[in-house]
Amino acid sequence: AQSVTQPDIHITVSEGASLELRCNYSYGATPYLFWYVQSPGQGLQLLLKYFSGDTLVQGIKGFEAEFKRSQSSFNLRKPSVHWSDAAEYFCAVAWGTGRRALTFGSGTRLQVQP
Amino acid sequence: DTAVSQTPKYLVTQMGNDKSIKCEQNLGHDTMYWYKQDSKKFLKIMFSYNNKELIINETVPNRFSPKSPDKAHLNLHINSLELGDSAVYFCASTPQGGTQYFGPGTRLTVL
Repeated sequence: AQSVTQPDIHITVSEGASLELRCNYSYGATPYLFWYVQSPGQGLQLLLKYFSGDTLVQGIKGFEAEFKRSQSSFNLRKPSVHWSDAAEYFCAVAWGTGRRALTFGSGTRLQVQP
Repeated sequence: DTAVSQTPKYLVTQMGNDKSIKCEQNLGHDTMYWYKQDSKKFLKIMFSYNNKELIINETVPNRFSPKSPDKAHLNLHINSLELGDSAVYFCASTPQGGTQYFGPGTRLTVL
């Protein structure tokens, strides 16, 4: 079965430090890749997405992600973390074209230390 | 204007009851979904409808029945609620082949 792996359950970084959250997916048809963020008690907000083209994509709130087909990865990065970035981050993949449902990773909880 | 809305936001009920959660999107999308987020934050697809037609039905107990009266609405009815149904349920919608937009979620607590 196709799957999405976020190896880091919990990450703590200091405010102002850089951040990288990892995401790997199992091989399949053309993946559509997404990162969502969920603040406590809130819904899911789209940070960025990759469908095709330039493999480095920019998103909201200063986030970016790079698609590496050879590594089946779509890691999320931010050069300088803000305290307001503390949240749960989900990588999600839809395989193939059309109206595919998302398969989510298990999430990475980000804590930001002052 | 809220793009994808869900009601209610919180739902507390007793085991054995029947309840419904409503979802509406004003984005003109033709595909809608229900996802379940369990206590460990894991999100999993339950159902998908395209233009009122069921296209995805994952392994979900038949106590769960989605209903789509029109392409802007996808409701979730749950019969004979069980403790294990306690979760956050998210509705989402998408245009063809596009990004999924999520509602704010409905936190269901079964006592």
